Amino acid sequence: AQSVTQLDSQVPVFEEAPVELRCNYSSSVSVYLFWYVQYPNQGLQLLLKYLSGSTLVKGINGFEAEFNKSQTSFHLRKPSVHISDTAEYFCAVFTTGGGNKLTFGTGTQLKVEL
Amino acid sequence: GAGVSQSPSNKVTEKGKDVELRCDPISGHTALYWYRQSLGQGLEFLIYFQGNSAPDKSGLPSDRFSAERTGGSVSTLTIQRTQQEDSAVYLCASSLNRVEGAFFGQGTRLTVV
Repeated sequence: AQSVTQLDSQVPVFEEAPVELRCNYSSSVSVYLFWYVQYPNQGLQLLLKYLSGSTLVKGINGFEAEFNKSQTSFHLRKPSVHISDTAEYFCAVFTTGGGNKLTFGTGTQLKVEL
Repeated sequence: GAGVSQSPSNKVTEKGKDVELRCDPISGHTALYWYRQSLGQGLEFLIYFQGNSAPDKSGLPSDRFSAERTGGSVSTLTIQRTQQEDSAVYLCASSLNRVEGAFFGQGTRLTVV
């Protein structure tokens, strides 16, 4: 069975500072990995995804994530955050074998402060 | 439509009543998911439909919850004899394939009073 762990429930950060939101997954087969963002009172939207190839993937709004197979991680980063990045971020995984369920982590609330 | 559409956007119901939540997926998407998001919680998987295959119901919390997908398109999530703990935002998502990921609707906020 697959699972996703987001180690931090809340991450406060000052504007223009760098940020890393951590995500670890467990799966015995190949995976597709996703980060979604949910702005206040809005639905989820796809931020970026890793399917194969280059382990560093770039998404919208200056976010990027790095797939690390040996550490089973897919951490999300941004070198300089803006107040508008305040939102909830969810990591998710599909496995390429077995069930077809898209499994989500519990989310990380990023709060950007002035 | 261009995106996943859910209705109603808000629903207030009395404890013990039945409710139906509707999801219109993106046209052509063969996969459809229902999730529940409670205050301060992550996304709880409820049920998954893929084409004509039997749905994955492993996330339904009790037999009061059921869902169907007619004609491989519209889906309805039904909660019978609602309880206060059913209060949450119910999210629907659809997907063409795993490579594309899932696209979410705006959700239905259910409040049981």
